[in-house]
Amino acid sequence: GQNIDQPTEMTATEGAIVQINCTYQTSGFNGLFWYQQHAGEAPTFLSYNVLDGLEEKGRFSSFLSRSKGYSYLLLKELQMKDSASYLCAVRLGGSYIPTFGRGTSLIVHP
Amino acid sequence: EAQVTQNPRYLITVTGKKLTVTCSQNMNHEYMSWYRQDPGLGLRQIYYSMNVEVTDKGDVPEGYKVSRKEKRNFPLILESPSPNQTSLYFCASSSGSGNQPQHFGDGTRLSIL
Repeated sequence: GQNIDQPTEMTATEGAIVQINCTYQTSGFNGLFWYQQHAGEAPTFLSYNVLDGLEEKGRFSSFLSRSKGYSYLLLKELQMKDSASYLCAVRLGGSYIPTFGRGTSLIVHP
Repeated sequence: EAQVTQNPRYLITVTGKKLTVTCSQNMNHEYMSWYRQDPGLGLRQIYYSMNVEVTDKGDVPEGYKVSRKEKRNFPLILESPSPNQTSLYFCASSSGSGNQPQHFGDGTRLSIL
């Protein structure tokens, strides 16, 4: 793989903010995706970053630093339904098909 | 409705009995992929295709075959399934545009006894 690293598991409290980090090898970087996946279901698209900076979409934001090979997904005002796995996927070189990290399992508790 | 359709959704079978998991998309996407997902290992790419008659190996292709005879279909073939291929499988498709994400099917849970 392309050494895409994410924490395995995180826990947070309903209503709080959580940041899920993703690091990757920078060589040939060509875009980064975040997906949400509930247990036993298909991944669903959350965000895409290809330039440095923050992309905001409602309660979810995603940040990218290309020079550092680093991205994070920020979830605000956490709800119980946000309990899921969050997958970081990086596109490298000329490929339009990204490689996935192992995912971060987020548990939101009351 | 734009979708990726996989069949079957669930299958229990025995070692050595050839099986095919079908995948069809109705979005006219060029790119299609197969992944397997195992606990602690995330989504690992098996094979991908960038267009009709163009396929290539992903990270874990051993024991699998694919074909892309039509743009909409990308079947996954297990010629002689073994227990280590027990897994959750996802098919995905995407267009060639840079910021367009992959669309995933609902998954196929295979159990090889």
